[in-house]
Amino acid sequence: GAVVSQHPSRVICKSGTSVKIECRSLDFQATTMFWYRQFPKQSLMLMATSNEGSKATYEQGVEKDKFLINHASLTLSTLTVTSAHPEDSSFYICSARILAGDAYEQYFGPGTRLTVT
Amino acid sequence: AQSVAQPEDQVNVAEGNPLTVKCTYSVSGNPYLFWYVQYPNRGLQFLLKYITGDNLVKGSYGFEAEFNKSQTSFHLKKPSALVSDSALYFCAVRGVSTSGTYKYIFGTGTRLKVLA
Repeated sequence: GAVVSQHPSRVICKSGTSVKIECRSLDFQATTMFWYRQFPKQSLMLMATSNEGSKATYEQGVEKDKFLINHASLTLSTLTVTSAHPEDSSFYICSARILAGDAYEQYFGPGTRLTVT
Repeated sequence: AQSVAQPEDQVNVAEGNPLTVKCTYSVSGNPYLFWYVQYPNRGLQFLLKYITGDNLVKGSYGFEAEFNKSQTSFHLKKPSALVSDSALYFCAVRGVSTSGTYKYIFGTGTRLKVLA
């Protein structure tokens, strides 16, 4: 089946530093990947849609200069949290879209827990 | 408006009993509906989807879901619950993002606890 990996699974960084999270589709190519943020005991919030070879599309209210997304290849998208602050601490999940039959399905990575101290 | 509602924060069921996790949705046009399960500190795992066809959809791990158009519902069911089914379950519907592309809209999740 379709497998999506994320690295790192957990990261702690100091306030003001930048952190890069990688999302890879391991056994398929994904022209479109998605980045979500999940707060404790809450649902997933779509942050942006990452398209290979073009600029990401950000959801309303998400700062594109703070959350930099790069989708340089068909199997890799990266999310960089720039100048991280404690309020950026969260669980970040990526997903990759794959055509299954007559509709797209999303396969999710295992998530990255970011803690900013 | 496009939305998904999961009215129960938590569902408790005894092992071996049938379980139901409720989901209702609001979206324009024909709905594309999904159920995912999340274990602690993990991403979401796909369980099943409804696109078209039979209203009863069978998925992974013995789960199934019933699509009811008139009630705009897509409840998740399993005839006999296992302790290992204890997890967080999310219902999702395909909607449209602010940029005009498709996106998934998730419910707030229902925590299923199966008691031995």
